[in-house]
Amino acid sequence: GQNIDQPTEMTATEGAIVQINCTYQTSGFNGLFWYQQHAGEAPTFLSYNVLDGLEEKGRFSSFLSRSKGYSYLLLKELQMKDSASYLCAVLDSNYQLIWGAGTKLIIKP
Amino acid sequence: IAGITQAPTSQILAAGRRMTLRCTQDMRHNAMYWYRQDLGLGLRLIHYSNTAGTTGKGEVPDGYSVSRANTDDFPLTLASAVPSQTSVYFCASSEGLAGADTQYFGPGTRLTVL
Repeated sequence: GQNIDQPTEMTATEGAIVQINCTYQTSGFNGLFWYQQHAGEAPTFLSYNVLDGLEEKGRFSSFLSRSKGYSYLLLKELQMKDSASYLCAVLDSNYQLIWGAGTKLIIKP
Repeated sequence: IAGITQAPTSQILAAGRRMTLRCTQDMRHNAMYWYRQDLGLGLRLIHYSNTAGTTGKGEVPDGYSVSRANTDDFPLTLASAVPSQTSVYFCASSEGLAGADTQYFGPGTRLTVL
């Protein structure tokens, strides 16, 4: 079967750095997405990786290793507004997105 | 309208009733999707449409039907609602086909089936 694993919940301090990991086992791979979802709201796009390596976009970076079936989302200079769930999703061989259950990130002052 | 709208925002429905969730986008995107989101589970694809006039089944299609008569609208129908269909339903769209492009989500419909 297809599987996306992420930690259920993480806590970090305002101003710090946090890394959210995602491991996947899917039938084929055509890219990996990270989305942010604030409580009670819709998911919004953060990043897309299809090649190995690090993609940096402001305070957020996303890393991919296809050989290890692994990605992480790195958030720097954490702000209270970063409190949200972070969803990892893999595009499989049928070009359908397989979603992880999400990681709830709690930011403390 | 800007982006994707969904209606209703929330609904309480008696089991056995028929219900249509509405979704409209104004971005002229080719592809549209319906997901359900349940606590502790990832988003699960119900149905999708790569272009007007075509639809396909996702991971959990049973009990749901869709139509895509034009580019903008993609309604989801529950023919006879059951309590296990209690969930938050998100509609999404993407410019390209088959999920490879960034998906843009509507605000969601919270459905409770009693």
